[in-house]
Amino acid sequence: QITLKESGPTLVKPTQTLTLTCSLSGFALGSTGVGVGWIRQPPGKALEWLAVIYWDDNKLYNPSLEREVTITQDTSTNQVVLTVTKTHPVDTATYYCARTVTNLKAFDFWGQGLLVTVSS
Amino acid sequence: DIQLTQSPSFLSASVGDRITITCRASQGIRTSLAWYQQKPGKAPYLLIYGASTLQSQVPSRFSGRGSGTEFTLTIRSLQPEDFATYYCQQFSSSSQGFTFGPGTKVDLK
Repeated sequence: QITLKESGPTLVKPTQTLTLTCSLSGFALGSTGVGVGWIRQPPGKALEWLAVIYWDDNKLYNPSLEREVTITQDTSTNQVVLTVTKTHPVDTATYYCARTVTNLKAFDFWGQGLLVTVSS
Repeated sequence: DIQLTQSPSFLSASVGDRITITCRASQGIRTSLAWYQQKPGKAPYLLIYGASTLQSQVPSRFSGRGSGTEFTLTIRSLQPEDFATYYCQQFSSSSQGFTFGPGTKVDLK
């Protein structure tokens, strides 16, 4: 059974760095073709893709992001980490991690999401 | 960047109706388009990928068509559990990544 689960702080102050962890089970990060992405959704708004990392450590980032975002993976713990630096209240959103496979070009399994509020 | 637009933004329909949602891409993306359903408080759920391939266990009343810049999602006979928001999403290796459309909310007339 494939599952993903997001964890991290639910409240951060503006300008702080937000670090989120996606814990995976049922599949291995190092498997050929596998990738994990982060997508966020501000309250009442649309989905916004942030970044994706693939089994070969290839990384793609949304070029439209105004905030610096970094994605990394730890194959020994089967986790993917997203950091967002210099957070702003507009970064308040539900953050999802999701699995992709290269030939799918879509996200087939999603975590439940984590609501993060950026506020002083 | 490749942009996606969806029409309509909102759609009121009744159980049993046939509905169609359109997604347009600002550049040609061949068939690298997916559709998701999202219900309030829940994660998105993949319905269709490759523009027309139904994801496993998705009911056959859902179908997708299109290539290049224009795509459609059709629900043949709307069921009560289909009232939700639908998003299209593209992937382009040339533009480096994924993009989601703005969404179409389908509610009960």
